[in-house]
Amino acid sequence: DTEVTQTPKHLVMGMTNKKSLKCEQHMGHRAMYWYKQKAKKPPELMFVYSYEKLSINESVPSRFSPECPNSSLLNLHLHALQPEDSALYLCASTRGEGVSYNEQFFGPGTRLTVL
Amino acid sequence: AQSVTQLDSQVPVFEEAPVELRCNYSSSVSVYLFWYVQYPNQGLQLLLKYLSGSTLVESINGFEAEFNKSQTSFHLRKPSVHISDTAEYFCAVTEGKTSYDKVIFGPGTSLSVIP
Repeated sequence: DTEVTQTPKHLVMGMTNKKSLKCEQHMGHRAMYWYKQKAKKPPELMFVYSYEKLSINESVPSRFSPECPNSSLLNLHLHALQPEDSALYLCASTRGEGVSYNEQFFGPGTRLTVL
Repeated sequence: AQSVTQLDSQVPVFEEAPVELRCNYSSSVSVYLFWYVQYPNQGLQLLLKYLSGSTLVESINGFEAEFNKSQTSFHLRKPSVHISDTAEYFCAVTEGKTSYDKVIFGPGTSLSVIP
């Protein structure tokens, strides 16, 4: 299994809703990432988990809450989002172990629309 | 601090013509370099990477890139493009100091292949 899966593919939510995005990989990778991508822009790093511990938080607003329940799974909990949070949310993973070049494997993304 | 420049935001090219997408980076240390491709409504896929060794790297679908340390460049080329190459292309760099290094993405180049 050499892929990163993300669910759901599309999500529409109101500003008062609570929802979660899910990311899964079974490649034995030990680092997992959340990115936010606006149209025609590069991905912006949000969070990095290394060995299931939060290693990088790029000053993301608290309405985004990441969680890494185990080495294969990464969640992003969403609450009280704003319309400007509408974007493609990408998950990625890297081996994170004994290899220093950090080739990132990306999932297909979740297209989020906040009304 | 690292940065990546992609001078051309849009590149239109006729089918079967050659193409070059330019990428320049700045870093005070040795880096690892990547080209990612993003097809419409999809996540990012690794196209090719430079880690060490030969400065010319090739992908399975006919793209190649050459690492030039003195010019701090990693330009992407293809001798004959196909309609299916229409996509967004991102150049990226990482220092590879830790197992969960940040990857710095360039702003992207939109390649449009004209029939």
